[in-house]
Amino acid sequence: GEDVEQSLFLSVREGDSSVINCTYTDSSSTYLYWYKQEPGAGLQLLTYIFSNMDMKQDQRLTVLLNKKDKHLSLRIADTQTGDSAIYFCAGGSKRSGGYQKVTFGTGTKLQVIP
Amino acid sequence: EAGVAQSPRYKIIEKRQSVAFWCNPISGHATLYWYQQILGQGPKLLIQFQNNGVVDDSQLPKDRFSAERLKGVDSTLKIQPAKLEDSAVYLCATQAYDLGTGGSEQFFGPGTRLTVL
Repeated sequence: GEDVEQSLFLSVREGDSSVINCTYTDSSSTYLYWYKQEPGAGLQLLTYIFSNMDMKQDQRLTVLLNKKDKHLSLRIADTQTGDSAIYFCAGGSKRSGGYQKVTFGTGTKLQVIP
Repeated sequence: EAGVAQSPRYKIIEKRQSVAFWCNPISGHATLYWYQQILGQGPKLLIQFQNNGVVDDSQLPKDRFSAERLKGVDSTLKIQPAKLEDSAVYLCATQAYDLGTGGSEQFFGPGTRLTVL
């Protein structure tokens, strides 16, 4: 099955950029997702990228995909204290029948220092 | 639109007891997932339904866990008997069926935090 790995912790100062990295093993992943989880809450989709794309920008978020190295990153520009949360990388692979299987990483805890 | 509803939000039981969790998906979402999220880890898929049929239950400990999705809408996840290592947050997620692209957003409920003493 797929493995998705992330660094456990990242600390940045408010106003700086944050970069959260992720590596995955399944080359057949068709979608790669970034989810945000705040304390006591479920996961919220931030953004996703198709595997045939290299980059996607969405307001303060930039996703970079290096398919050759199976490396995904999420850059948050002008990081705010409200961005403090756990960020999960996830890979989605299409299975027979058209259904999607999603495998989540271990999560990166982002701490934003005022 | 209303989100994914789960109940209860919290449950404390003793080992060897039974427990059940309930999930009400977003209307019209054909795919429903149950995940187990142990503290400090990412969600791990337990079971995936497409309408009322099971698509994947390969990581469900079937000797103690069971799940059903009657009429392809609400779902229940049961643990009987519970073990200490079952302490976790149980997340329900639903997704609109997308045969063409094979992927779309999963909407997560707030989860049920289970503590087994």
